[in-house]
Amino acid sequence: AQSVSQHNHHVILSEAASLELGCNYSYGGTVNLFWYVQYPGQHLQLLLKYFSGDPLVKGIKGFEAEFIKSKFSFNLRKPSVQWSDTAEYFCAVKMNNNAGNMLTFGGGTRLMVKP
Amino acid sequence: GAGVSQSPRYKVAKRGQDVALRCDPISGHVSLFWYQQALGQGPEFLTYFQNEAQLDKSGLPSDRFFAERPEGSVSTLKIQRTQQEDSAVYLCASGMRITEAFFGQGTRLTVV
Repeated sequence: AQSVSQHNHHVILSEAASLELGCNYSYGGTVNLFWYVQYPGQHLQLLLKYFSGDPLVKGIKGFEAEFIKSKFSFNLRKPSVQWSDTAEYFCAVKMNNNAGNMLTFGGGTRLMVKP
Repeated sequence: GAGVSQSPRYKVAKRGQDVALRCDPISGHVSLFWYQQALGQGPEFLTYFQNEAQLDKSGLPSDRFFAERPEGSVSTLKIQRTQQEDSAVYLCASGMRITEAFFGQGTRLTVV
């Protein structure tokens, strides 16, 4: 079955440190890729998405992600994190096949940024 | 607000009890999804509606789970004879297109 892996379950950084969260998926066909963020006590919010074109995608709040097709990866990056980035981050993939329209999520990465 | 609204926010059910979870999507959104999120895990797909038609229910874990969207707007997820393994956060998401999903805050179900 297709799956999405986020290898880092917990990440702790100090403010101003650089961030990279890994996301890999197991599907050989065409995909749409997403990163969602869930701040404490809030709902899932879309950070950025990739459908086609430039594999480097820029999202809100200074986040970006790069789609590397050969590595089946869509890693999330931010050059300098802030305390307010403390949240849980989920990578999600929509596989463009006949299996359906749902998103397949990774297990999430909980980021804590120390002030 | 203009977002996806879910109710109740929290539900405690005794094992064997039936529960109904409600989702009010963003007005005019055609697509509606239900996801189940167990503690410490990512959301997992349950079912998908396009307007009132339930086009995919492949993620429903058993025949105790039932979802409906009779008029193409509000949706209800019903769980019959709840069991402890049903304890999770149930998320609803809606969108104008299949490729977008705006999530509600979820209903946290605890079965005791």
